[in-house]
Amino acid sequence: GAVVSQHPSWVICKSGTSVKIECRSLDFQATTMFWYRQFPKQSLMLMATSNEGSKATYEQGVEKDKFLINHASLTLSTLTVTSAHPEDSSFYICSARNTGTSGSIDEQFFGPGTRLTVL
Amino acid sequence: SQKIEQNSEALNIQEGKTATLTCNYTNYSPAYLQWYRQDPGRGPVFLLLIRENEKEKRKERLKVTFDTTLKQSLFHITASQPADSATYLCALGTGGFKTIFGAGTRLFVKA
Repeated sequence: GAVVSQHPSWVICKSGTSVKIECRSLDFQATTMFWYRQFPKQSLMLMATSNEGSKATYEQGVEKDKFLINHASLTLSTLTVTSAHPEDSSFYICSARNTGTSGSIDEQFFGPGTRLTVL
Repeated sequence: SQKIEQNSEALNIQEGKTATLTCNYTNYSPAYLQWYRQDPGRGPVFLLLIRENEKEKRKERLKVTFDTTLKQSLFHITASQPADSATYLCALGTGGFKTIFGAGTRLFVKA
């Protein structure tokens, strides 16, 4: 099946620093990737839709200047949390759609997540 | 306002029994509904998708029903096993590419 990886799996940083998280589709091409944030015992909240070769589409309430998204290739999207603060500590998960396979066009494949802790 | 509600309480069942999880939604007209499994500290894993014109879908020990009149989906795991213990997420596909997730229900299967 389709595999999505994330790196790093966890990161601890100081307040005010920037952190970059990578999301890769390993065995398929993804023109669209999604970034979610999940707080403990809560649902996944969609932050933004990342489109290859164009600007990301952010959900209401998500600061695009704080959460920078780059989708430079069909297999890689990055999320950079700029000037991170303790309230940004969360579990960040990416997903990708395998739009190249018929019958699975609505299926999303999720990465394993990145645990961010800002001190 | 739009809501997706799943059993907030954890579900505890005995091994071998059927687990039934509920997903209710309001103010949505989903084109499809999905169920995912999520283990602690991991990303969700896709299980089943059911479209708005389908009543029931099965996959091995899993069964999903979708009632667009009641605005409800039921997710069943038959012959449950301790390895089925996880959080199960309901997600609505609203057309286009967006998927909206419920908060999930934790299932514990006791041996």
